[in-house]
Amino acid sequence: KNEVEQSPQNLTAQEGEFITINCSYSVGISALHWLQQHPGGGIVSLFMLSSGKKKHGRLIATINIQEKHSSLHITASHPRDSAVYICAVRFYGGSQGNLIFGKGTKLSVKP
Amino acid sequence: KAGVTQTPRYLIKTRGQQVTLSCSPISGHRSVSWYQQTPGQGLQFLFEYFSETQRNKGNFPGRFSGRQFSNSRSEMNVSTLELGDSALYLCASSLLQTSDTQYFGPGTRLTVL
Repeated sequence: KNEVEQSPQNLTAQEGEFITINCSYSVGISALHWLQQHPGGGIVSLFMLSSGKKKHGRLIATINIQEKHSSLHITASHPRDSAVYICAVRFYGGSQGNLIFGKGTKLSVKP
Repeated sequence: KAGVTQTPRYLIKTRGQQVTLSCSPISGHRSVSWYQQTPGQGLQFLFEYFSETQRNKGNFPGRFSGRQFSNSRSEMNVSTLELGDSALYLCASSLLQTSDTQYFGPGTRLTVL
């Protein structure tokens, strides 16, 4: 079964802390997405990865294809980073549909 | 460039009714995907359209259907509504396919009473 697991489910941090959110998947993928969802529902696509590492501002996303694992890092976290972060993958073959989503990690950054 | 727009933003229906939701992608984007988000199941893929053709479909019953028009605008329809269809329905557009960066609309919040 093609699955996506995220950890932790919930994360509380103090402003300025370094944050890591993890995503593991079960079989080969063609692409992995990191999404951010703020209260109210709006979703923003942060990164799309198929290998290596990407950086945008304070956000860094890495993927290890051999270990079937990706991480999203936030440096110098800020209360405005508080949101749900969702990992989504497109498995090769796509027999279950297109993107398969993790359950999300709810991040709360306290001032 | 205008973002992805969805109408209506909120909708209340009763069991047994049907509903049509609309999505206008970013200008120039040809791929539109639909997703359902519920507290219990999280985000789930419904279907993807490209150039008026359904390219992929998720594991949803036949009550869920969709279409895409020549201007890339898309609609999804749910017939014979059930209480469990209450959800946030999101559409996303991308340039060519869902492995490209996806741009999400604000969603339509459907409540079935």
